[in-house]
This record gives sequence, structure tokens and C-alpha cells, in this order.
Amino acid sequence: NAGVTQTPKFQVLKTGQSMTLQCAQDMNHNSMYWYRQDPGMGLRLIYYSASEGTTDKGEVPNGYNVSRLNKREFSLRLESAAPSQTSVYFCASRARGRVSEQFFGPGTRLTVL
Amino acid sequence: AQKVTQAQTEISVVEKEDVTLDCVYETRDTTYYLFWYKQPPSGELVFLIRRNSFDEQNEISGRYSWNFQKSTSSFNFTITASQVVDSAVYFCALSEEGYGGSQGNLIFGKGTKLSVKP
Repeated sequence: NAGVTQTPKFQVLKTGQSMTLQCAQDMNHNSMYWYRQDPGMGLRLIYYSASEGTTDKGEVPNGYNVSRLNKREFSLRLESAAPSQTSVYFCASRARGRVSEQFFGPGTRLTVL
Repeated sequence: AQKVTQAQTEISVVEKEDVTLDCVYETRDTTYYLFWYKQPPSGELVFLIRRNSFDEQNEISGRYSWNFQKSTSSFNFTITASQVVDSAVYFCALSEEGYGGSQGNLIFGKGTKLSVKP
């Protein structure tokens, strides 16, 4: 089992460019999440998908879109990247039920110039 | 409103010292869950422990122990006889009961960076 995988690991964009961050999990989890981590800010939820076919906004959704392609995959898209989106992005997944913990991918370090 | 506060931004200790990382939370729910995650210098997030609001028993796992006190809304984490490999950022997180899709969503504290020097 690979767990949660993310691609790419690193990316540099210019302001205004677009890109999609990919996330996949092989644990048959229902829920998936996208977070961003900035220095001194902890992790903040961007979007989540409680189950296949549903997506909802988290704490900081502006400037992002998501797609829950199927049960395994949950992508995050930046349509027009801005320097404020320079961050480390983590994808996570969780099994059904109230008590289960989230499992995290290795992260994508994104720099927007 | 839910909130997690980790007041200690950075802690530095010498190997073999004991260290306690503080976590204070705010929630209006009676049912909630608390978590600790570790983020070593390599960057991945590693789950350490989960505790539900009805279970106030302290937990010990090797050199790690957790003290949950509902009366003070705290869920503190102690490392006994710290080692250099314990150097990491540690995050405390809260998950409320939630409804429908928001069940299981985590609210993270800002983290405490622990440096253990040899």
C-alpha cells in the first residue's frame, strides 16, 4: 500500500499560471482533504470531499478549485496562481466514521514567483 | 467557535530531558476528538494519538504520554527522556462531532517546534 500519494513534490510557477495538484489514496477511504501549511500558521483546510461526488469549502478556499474524480483521486487546481499561494500543500484521507484519523500525503512545495 | 492553541512556539531541550507540549482547545460540542501529529524535518505528517471526549484516561506509549483534562480543556503531550530523533514540529488538532460531510474535519493548532540537542 502506498497510502496517500501526491504529485508533483515541488513546483515553481509564475504569477498567473495555472496548475493542478494530484492526490490519490489506495486505502478505500471515503473522505479526502486539501490543506495548506504556511510558516507559523499550522495547517488550514482548503477544500474537502466527504464522499465521492461531493466537495465543500474549508477555511481558505479562495483561489482554488477541486475535483473528486473518483473514490481514489482528489485534485486541487490553481487557475491563476498568486504569490500568496506559495505554500506547502498536503492531501489527506480518512475512513468512514467519526473516530478515524486522517492520513497525510508527503506534500507538494509550491512557489509562485 | 472551535479553536486549538499551542502557546509554545518553540522549545529547546537537551537530550534525556523530559518535555511537555501544551495544547488547549475550545469547543461547544460535548462529543469531540483530539489528535496529536508529528512533523519531522523530512516534512511528512505522522499520526500519534487520538482521544475522544468521553475518555479521560491518560495514555502512555513508550516514552510518550498524553494527559487529557476536560476541566481545563487541555490535552498535553509529554516526552520522557527526549532523544534527538524527537526533534520535530508537533501539532495538536480538534475534530468536532460535525454533521454530514464535515464530520472528521480537523482544526489544527499552529504547532510547537521541538529541538532536542545532543
